[in-house]
Order: sequence, then C-alpha cells, then structure tokens
Amino acid sequence: DAGVTQSPTHLIKTRGQQVTLRCSPISGHKSVSWYQQVLGQGPQFIFQYYEKEERGRGNFPDRFSARQFPNYSSELNVNALLLGDSALYLCASSSPRTPQETQYFGPGTRLLVL
Amino acid sequence: QKEVEQNSGPLSVPEGAIASLNCTYSDRGSQSFFWYRQYSGKSPELIMSIYSNGDKEDGRFTAQLNKASQYVSLLIRDSQPSDSATYLCARMPGGSYIPTFGRGTSLIVHP
Repeated sequence: DAGVTQSPTHLIKTRGQQVTLRCSPISGHKSVSWYQQVLGQGPQFIFQYYEKEERGRGNFPDRFSARQFPNYSSELNVNALLLGDSALYLCASSSPRTPQETQYFGPGTRLLVL
Repeated sequence: QKEVEQNSGPLSVPEGAIASLNCTYSDRGSQSFFWYRQYSGKSPELIMSIYSNGDKEDGRFTAQLNKASQYVSLLIRDSQPSDSATYLCARMPGGSYIPTFGRGTSLIVHP
C-alpha cells in the first residue's frame, strides 16, 4: 500500500506570497494532521482534520488554514509568507483502527521563504 | 515546563553498544507514547508505541514506560551506524488524537 504522499517536495517563495501544500493520506485513513518542523526542533502541530471536520488547531496565526476533501486528501494554505515560515511541513495520517491512532508521516514539503 | 522533554544530545555510542534515549513528561494522566526516528532531511518514521507501564520489545528496540517516575525510554541494542539519526518522543493524552513532540535526541553510532 502507498504511504502518505505530499506535494510539492520543495518550494521557494518570497515574502508576502501565498503557498498551498497538498497531502494524500494512507488508503483507509480518514484523519490528516499538519505539522511545521524547523531545524533542531520537533514537529509543531498546526491542524488536524477528521472526516472533513477540523478536530484540532495548534497555536499558529490565522495566515495558516487548511481543509480536507471528500477523498480525505488535504491542503494547507499559508498566506502572507514570512521568512520565519521557512520549514519542513509534514503531513501525517491516522485511523481509529490503528493502535492509539498512531500517526504516519509523509515525506514532507520543504518551504524556503526568501 | 514543556509537555515532553528530551536531551538534544548528541548521544554518541560505539557500534554494537546499547543506546539509551530518554524522554520525560509532566502530566500524570492516561496517555500513549510514540518513538519516531528521523534521518537528516527526511520525515519521521514510526519505531514503536507504548501505553502500558513496563517494557515493549520489537526487534533490537525496547520501549520502557515508567509512569511513577514519568519517563519513557527507548533502548537500541547492537547499535549500528545506520541507527545514527534524531529520535523523537511524542506524547498523546488519553482522549486526544494529537501528539506533542519533544525536540528530539541526536544519536551518533560510530564504528
């Protein structure tokens, strides 16, 4: 079975621009979570969606938004990019059928804001 | 106090030794813990999860949870250079579906 997929793998933007990151979960998984990871830190939680409803939101500004589609894929949007938004953006999928709803990560999208 | 604390390291061990990675937490409630391995420039890969007090073994890896002392450990037996990576500890409170990650411990296994 295919794992979590994310696109694009790398992205370069300039300050003030907007970016959309995409994620497809493992087949059968209905929950998608987004994380931001900067160098030297663990992943920081941004959003979680389950069955197309937002189930959790981390401490990120309103410039960050997300949605989940009927096929359970998801998009993360970031508006008015800042230099500090440069990071690895991770998507993880999970299912109530997996023990403790373990999260499985995709390869990530590396965003560089210049 | 952060929810999950890890020593950033690096922890350096010789090939063939046992590597011991630790994670402490501050909440005494019901919760699950996860260990992930992350190679430089890559995404985290799940090693194992644990939610019951005691040990859980999977191949060369053993996770240990001590609820009384509020720590969780990951032991890697017969460490190999390919085990060199950052190890992330994550905590998920009972009733939540959102894990909180520590900053990770860098492990270096030298030949």
